[in-house]
Amino acid sequence: GAVVSQHPSWVICKSGTSVKIECRSLDFQATTMFWYRQFPKQSLMLMATSNEGSKATYEQGVEKDKFLINHASLTLSTLTVTSAHPEDSSFYICSSKGHGDLDEQFFGPGTRLTVL
Amino acid sequence: GQNIDQPTEMTATEGAIVQINCTYQTSGFNGLFWYQQHAGEAPTFLSYNVLDGLEEKGRFSSFLSRSKGYSYLLLKELQMKDSASYLCAPMDSNYQLIWGAGTKLIIKP
Repeated sequence: GAVVSQHPSWVICKSGTSVKIECRSLDFQATTMFWYRQFPKQSLMLMATSNEGSKATYEQGVEKDKFLINHASLTLSTLTVTSAHPEDSSFYICSSKGHGDLDEQFFGPGTRLTVL
Repeated sequence: GQNIDQPTEMTATEGAIVQINCTYQTSGFNGLFWYQQHAGEAPTFLSYNVLDGLEEKGRFSSFLSRSKGYSYLLLKELQMKDSASYLCAPMDSNYQLIWGAGTKLIIKP
């Protein structure tokens, strides 16, 4: 399967600061990447779909000015949480679409964000 | 609307067999995925069904009935490391995965 990495694995920041999370596909070119958020004991929530070289498509209810997504290359997508608040504390996970016959998604290890 | 229904939690014994059921309603259908998610980790892909029937992959098998909007994941020879949440995720007409909260499987010795 494809390998997807995320950095950092966890981050603690002060309220009002911005945090950037990187998602890299290590062994294939990902034209499409997905950003999810998951609160404890809840389902994955798709935040946005990111296509290389174009603007991300955000899900309803997700503020595009708060969650900035950049997919500048086929191997890197970044999510920046701007002016983070404690309610943004969550597990952020990226995934890339598989390059085989299936449409499975390969997930990065996730980034746990804690905003104080 | 789109909906996934799975049991919240199940308990099974090491070495036994367990079946996790999933019913779904989606706008269109392009297959159904099962993922495993250990606590604090990201999901990992287990299986994919797009046609009716059973797909077997080692200790894990997945079944699909499109007419009934029903799937199950069968885990055999349970091991302690199988303790995790199992996520049923159908893909809708826009090729978007629809996620439920998953089933937390607890394995006891």
